[in-house]
Amino acid sequence: SQQGEEDPQALSIQEGENATMNCSYKTSINNLQWYRQNSGRGLVHLILIRSNEREKHSGRLRVTLDTSKKSSSLLITASRAADTASYFCAGWGYGQNFVFGPGTRLSVLP
Amino acid sequence: GAGVSQTPSNKVTEKGKYVELRCDPISGHTALYWYRQSLGQGPEFLIYFQGTGAADDSGLPNDRFFAVRPEGSVSTLKIQRTERGDSAVYLCASSLTRAGEVNEQFFGPGTRLTVL
Repeated sequence: SQQGEEDPQALSIQEGENATMNCSYKTSINNLQWYRQNSGRGLVHLILIRSNEREKHSGRLRVTLDTSKKSSSLLITASRAADTASYFCAGWGYGQNFVFGPGTRLSVLP
Repeated sequence: GAGVSQTPSNKVTEKGKYVELRCDPISGHTALYWYRQSLGQGPEFLIYFQGTGAADDSGLPNDRFFAVRPEGSVSTLKIQRTERGDSAVYLCASSLTRAGEVNEQFFGPGTRLTVL
């Protein structure tokens, strides 16, 4: 069973808008990672946040982590058409290897 | 090489046949993962190697699936008596580990397996 769950399952926005995706998990983790997958291609690591961190930034990406709620969010600011992809979160730690959710399919319309 | 490579990129086989899928990780990465991904789904964990040993094989669906990493580098995923339900993209990823913590995974492009 998949313990990571992203929502929404699909998101469609206009170029320039911000996109927010959420992730929930069930077990304790050491770190949580977000990945992007373009259609028909491999996954690319975006950002890692550790369990003792609450927020992290990388370029146009902002990730938050709330371990009390076992949830994380990924914000992409000033979206571009090239951001169109599926986004996955995966938690790791405490004997639990990476468990990916079903992903959020983001469409950024020009 | 610069990244994780997987061969073949595509494999079509008949039900009941045996297949081997190969993964070449990034040089120096001690951790290696196998996943499979069905259309519209996230990657499903299969097995995790730390060096030559399988640290966690709890994701292998049944005993038809087996993986090896004899020298701690290249890994081979072996599937016996393939079934149509085995059709998926099989992904390999490698990673460095620090103090036992797995960090960023680098994924290969995957092998698309089709069982007819």
